[in-house]
Amino acid sequence: EDQVTQSPEALRLQEGESSSLNCSYTVSGLRGLFWYRQDPGKGPEFLFTLYSAGEEKEKERLKATLTKKESFLHITAPKPEDSATYLCAVQGGYNNNDMRFGAGTRLTVKP
Amino acid sequence: KAGVTQTPRYLIKTRGQQVTLSCSPISGHRSVSWYQQTPGQGLQFLFEYFSETQRNKGNFPGRFSGRQFSNSRSEMNVSTLELGDSALYLCASSTAGASNQPQHFGDGTRLSIL
Repeated sequence: EDQVTQSPEALRLQEGESSSLNCSYTVSGLRGLFWYRQDPGKGPEFLFTLYSAGEEKEKERLKATLTKKESFLHITAPKPEDSATYLCAVQGGYNNNDMRFGAGTRLTVKP
Repeated sequence: KAGVTQTPRYLIKTRGQQVTLSCSPISGHRSVSWYQQTPGQGLQFLFEYFSETQRNKGNFPGRFSGRQFSNSRSEMNVSTLELGDSALYLCASSTAGASNQPQHFGDGTRLSIL
């Protein structure tokens, strides 16, 4: 069965303290791995799609990478406004369009 | 470009009632998916509609149903509400093409069952 596991569950950083979030997955026939950011009371906001091992995407202080078993979301010099829950999702299988989500990492960045 | 719009934002119902939630996708998007989000289970897939046809379905009971109209707008219905149905219901839309395109979410309908 497809599984997505995110770690850590929660992460507290000081402003400027870089770190990484992990998303481990098992899926047959990965067709895409997605990163989202969710603020309280809001729907998930799309950040990145990664399609194949070795691929990397960057946006401002965020960089996402992908291997055959996991993805990392690197946060460089975070600011308080980066505080949110970061969700990872995979899409795979052969007749399956749904996305399987991880439980998320709740990131808090203190000034 | 307007995002995904969900109505209503908040809803309070009692056990046994039924409810209908509405979703207007991003203009040009023909695929609409529905998810249930709870603190304990996280985001769980309900179903996906494409061109008025249910293309995929998650592992939820038959009390949960949906439909899509010719303008791609979608509705989700839950009958015989139970306390455990209290959740944030999210709608997401994506382009019609390859199924590995990102989904864009609305801000959800928060359903509370008393």
